[in-house]
Amino acid sequence: DGGITQSPKYLFRKEGQNVTLSCEQNLNHDAMYWYRQDPGQGLRLIYYSQIVNDFQKGDIAEGYSVSREKKESFPLTVTSAQKNPTAFYLCASSIGFQGWQPQHFGDGTRLSIL
Amino acid sequence: LAKTTQPISMDSYEGQEVNITCSHNNIATNDYITWYQQFPSQGPRFIIQGYKTKVTNEVASLFIPADRKSSTLSLPRVSLSDTAVYYCLVGDGAGSNYKLTFGKGTLLTVNP
Repeated sequence: DGGITQSPKYLFRKEGQNVTLSCEQNLNHDAMYWYRQDPGQGLRLIYYSQIVNDFQKGDIAEGYSVSREKKESFPLTVTSAQKNPTAFYLCASSIGFQGWQPQHFGDGTRLSIL
Repeated sequence: LAKTTQPISMDSYEGQEVNITCSHNNIATNDYITWYQQFPSQGPRFIIQGYKTKVTNEVASLFIPADRKSSTLSLPRVSLSDTAVYYCLVGDGAGSNYKLTFGKGTLLTVNP
């Protein structure tokens, strides 16, 4: 089945550590996204990529980094500069970066600080 | 910047029709309005999408007025399993300024 796989489902980070969240898709989509979800805040865009080897900052990119070396993969690194990393992180993909092309989401990674 | 506004929460009962409205005062001229449904600890999933007037599929209808500054998601005869958060998504701007913005979501609670 085609879809988006996020791993791990739960992740714990110690203070001062970087952690990397995995996102893989086999839908052959060009665009990929990372969102952060906090209670009552809806979905906030961290980074997005319209094509391989290209990505842009979203609304809350500070403290995060991404790479897009392969079409199917868009890993997100939460760096030690992100002071409040505890949240639910969602990865999505779409055929292209336009609102009329629906986004397909993974089931998220919940990150907590030890 | 696009700003989408939705009610924070709504309550309903099984069998009723539910209408959730999203205001999007800055939608891009050629962009669509898309609605998603999210259950706890899952990613959102696509429900319906439209550009203008009315769109209907097997689970919902979407009403969009002529000025396209708002849209209404209509869920007919809701059941307990429709309890979820519903988000609208619109795009605004053009070219390098194009941006997609989710609303903050509406928590729909369906009661027996």
